[in-house]
Amino acid sequence: EAQLVESGGGLVKPGGSLRLSCAVSGLAFRHTWMSWVRQAPGKGLEWVARIKTKSDGGTTDYGAPVKDRFIISRDDSKNTLYLQMNSLKTEDTAMYYCTKDKEDIGSWSAFDFWGQGTMVTVSS
Amino acid sequence: EIALTQSPGTLSLSPGERATLSCRASQSVSGNYLAWYQQKPGQAPRLLIYGASSRAAGIPDRFSGSGSGTDFTLTISRLEHEDLVVYYCQQYGSSPTFGGGTKVEIK
Repeated sequence: EAQLVESGGGLVKPGGSLRLSCAVSGLAFRHTWMSWVRQAPGKGLEWVARIKTKSDGGTTDYGAPVKDRFIISRDDSKNTLYLQMNSLKTEDTAMYYCTKDKEDIGSWSAFDFWGQGTMVTVSS
Repeated sequence: EIALTQSPGTLSLSPGERATLSCRASQSVSGNYLAWYQQKPGQAPRLLIYGASSRAAGIPDRFSGSGSGTDFTLTISRLEHEDLVVYYCQQYGSSPTFGGGTKVEIK
């Protein structure tokens, strides 16, 4: 069974940076598209970013609120997904979930495995 | 960006009753790429339905999805206590978006 374990969350001041990691086991990581999804306290879900496999070009995509501030990357040798978050704003405060994109024929995916999340708080 | 509106915001029902949750899209969802998730308090969401009507692995058959275009429905045929939580729809026909959620609570 797939296991996704996030780390790296914490308290950071507005304008600061943070890097999240997600250690993945139990699945063929190098063959899997991966995403980050976030959830502000008491709110709904928001897709943040997606990275395809290297064989699919390693293409990255971002939601509008984080584009040009966040960078998603992967290290297939370590089975680890990352999210570099720069120029953080108070509205980035949320639980950040690492997710596996479900294989499908379309350009986008549902998310069939989720980590337990890591909390990021942006506050002065 | 496709906006998803879920209704009702809260659904009050008793165990054993049938629950019908709605998800309406601001424009047609390409390929009917619509998913439903269940989220229990303090836990990550769990995929229930993908492709509008296909159950994910391990999901009980009391959960079913239907719909196409802009109107989609999640039906829980006979509510169990553990089903009284929050449900989200998500479209992935284009850049993914989620609905605001429906909370199913005990009547």
